[in-house]
Amino acid sequence: AQSVSQHNHHVILSEAASLELGCNYSYGGTVNLFWYVQYPGQHLQLLLKYFSGDPLVKGIKGFEAEFIKSKFSFNLRKPSVQWSDTAEYFCAVNAGNAGNMLTFGGGTRLMVKP
Amino acid sequence: GAVVSQHPSRVICKSGTSVKIECRSLDFQATTMFWYRQFPKKSLMLMATSNEGSKATYEQGVEKDKFLINHASLTLSTLTVTSAHPEDSSFYICSARDPRYGYTFGSGTRLTVV
Repeated sequence: AQSVSQHNHHVILSEAASLELGCNYSYGGTVNLFWYVQYPGQHLQLLLKYFSGDPLVKGIKGFEAEFIKSKFSFNLRKPSVQWSDTAEYFCAVNAGNAGNMLTFGGGTRLMVKP
Repeated sequence: GAVVSQHPSRVICKSGTSVKIECRSLDFQATTMFWYRQFPKKSLMLMATSNEGSKATYEQGVEKDKFLINHASLTLSTLTVTSAHPEDSSFYICSARDPRYGYTFGSGTRLTVV
């Protein structure tokens, strides 16, 4: 079965700092990769996704992620964070043999100080 | 985009009673829906996959008799927490995959068992 690891559980940054959240998965076949964000008191929202093609994908609100197949990674980045980016971020994987099932990473709680 | 409506958003029940949570796909048909449970400071854990017209598929460690899932139509799946206990208090989220827009999540249900 596939698993997803997010290495940073809590991240605290000042506004304008750059962000990179790590995500690694354990499945050697075809994968679809996602990053979701959960703002305080709100439901999960899709930030970006990768299915195929250009491994550098751009999402909403200035986020991007790079799929590096050799490293089984899909790290999330943002050049300059804002206070409004304070939220919890989840990496998720749909492996080719898992039907429609998503496996989530443990989540990273980001706090951006104004 | 696709919309998944989850109801109720919050429920408080007495220990020993049952609670039903509804998950509806509003503008698409979902033959498969997913139920997740989010523990405090932890990620979403898949509880079960709800299949329209057939039995749900439960993940290891999830009690089938406690968490009853019914997917009677292409737009509605229900999760019933039977004989609820305080340890069942949690945040439950449903999800469905729209072929046009991908995964969409309900807004979640916070269950508190007193």
